[in-house]
Amino acid sequence: NAGVTQTPKFQVLKTGQSMTLQCAQDMNHEYMSWYRQDPGMGLRLIHYSVGAGITDQGEVPNGYNVSRSTTEDFPLRLLSAAPSQTSVYFCASSLGTVVYNEQFFGPGTRLTVL
Amino acid sequence: DAKTTQPPSMDCAEGRAANLPCNHSTISGNEYVYWYRQIHSQGPQYIIHGLKNNETNEMASLIITEDRKSSTLILPHATLRDTAVYYCIVNGNQFYFGTGTSLTVIP
Repeated sequence: NAGVTQTPKFQVLKTGQSMTLQCAQDMNHEYMSWYRQDPGMGLRLIHYSVGAGITDQGEVPNGYNVSRSTTEDFPLRLLSAAPSQTSVYFCASSLGTVVYNEQFFGPGTRLTVL
Repeated sequence: DAKTTQPPSMDCAEGRAANLPCNHSTISGNEYVYWYRQIHSQGPQYIIHGLKNNETNEMASLIITEDRKSSTLILPHATLRDTAVYYCIVNGNQFYFGTGTSLTVIP
C-alpha cells in the first residue's frame, strides 16, 4: 500500500494562476480531507468528503474547490491563487467517520504564491 | 466540538518518560480524545485515542481522568526521534488541530 500520496511536493505560482493539488489513497477509505498549515500554526480544515460524490466545507474553504468523483481521488483546486494561500497543504483519509477512526496523512504539498 | 489546551513546549531527557498534558474541560460524553504528532514538516501521524479508559499501544499510553476533563500522553522511554509537535484533539464530526506541544528530547 502506498497510503496517501500527494503531488506535487513543491509548487510556485504567480498571483491569479490556478492549479490543482492531487491527492490519492489506495486504502479504500470513505473519508478524505484537505488541511492547510501556515508557519507556526496548527492544521486548519479546508474541505472534506464522506464518500464519492459528497463534499462539504471546513473551517477555511474560500478560494478552494473540491470534487470527489472516485473513492481514491480528492483533488483540491485553487481558482485564482493569492499570496495568502502560501502554505503547506495536507491531504488525509480515514476508513469511516473521523469520530471513530484515525486519519492517515500524506506528505504534504508546499505551495508558494508570489 | 470541544477545544483543548496544551502547553506550547516541553523538554524531556532521552530515556526518560515524557508526560504531555492536555485539558479538555468542555468534552462531551461521546467525544474521543485523539493524539497525533508531527515530526519536522511531515504529515501528522496518529498515536493513540481513547474514550474513558486508559489505553496503551506500542507507541504510547493515554491516561484520561475520571471526569474526562484532562488527559496525559506518556512516551515511556523518549528517544531523539520523538522530538515533534504533539496534538491533542477532542473530536466531533471533524478534526480541529490547535498548535500542540513542541516536545524536544534532549540527549
